[in-house]
Amino acid sequence: AQRVTQPEKLLSVFKGAPVELKCNYSYSGSPELFWYVQYSRQRLQLLLRHISRESIKGFTADLNKGETSFHLKKPFAQEEDSAMYYCALISYNQGGKLIFGQGTELSVKP
Amino acid sequence: DVKVTQSSRYLVKRTGEKVFLECVQDMDHENMFWYRQDPGLGLRLIYFSYDVKMKEKGDIPEGYSVSREKKERFSLILESASTNQTSMYLCASSSHLSDSNEETQYFGPGTRLLVL
Repeated sequence: AQRVTQPEKLLSVFKGAPVELKCNYSYSGSPELFWYVQYSRQRLQLLLRHISRESIKGFTADLNKGETSFHLKKPFAQEEDSAMYYCALISYNQGGKLIFGQGTELSVKP
Repeated sequence: DVKVTQSSRYLVKRTGEKVFLECVQDMDHENMFWYRQDPGLGLRLIYFSYDVKMKEKGDIPEGYSVSREKKERFSLILESASTNQTSMYLCASSSHLSDSNEETQYFGPGTRLLVL
């Protein structure tokens, strides 16, 4: 079964600390993975996608096929990073729909 | 800039009422989606559509139906609202294009529905 798992519902760190939001997936074939972010009172938006291999707002995520993981990392968290983060994969054999994880709320304390 | 709009930000309905949630996108996207967002459950796909008058069931279609009469508009219908349909509803759209950069889903602001 195709599935995305985010084991942490809430992650709380202090400003300047490193942060890692965990994401594991189950998918037969070559997955395409995304991180979406939803800031307070704003719409859900794409943060980054693994094929771009880019850093957005200081966040990076590397696809590890051996561990079936796509963890989101940032070396120094900022208060404005506080938001809800969703990991997702696109299921091409189910018509291109996105399968989302349960979400992790990141709280960065001053 | 892609814009996805939803007809209401907040909606309060009574059990048994028929509820319409409207979504409009202005980027000529072929694909449109309806999700519900619940704490601890993430986003779950209700229905999606690849083209006008086409619809496909998602993971939790029970109690819902959809309508796609025009390319830019995708409506979610709760035939007889129930309290367990109290949730945040998100609409999204994306393009058919094979360029993977275009497969990003763009989301609306959401409609928070309370069923009493």
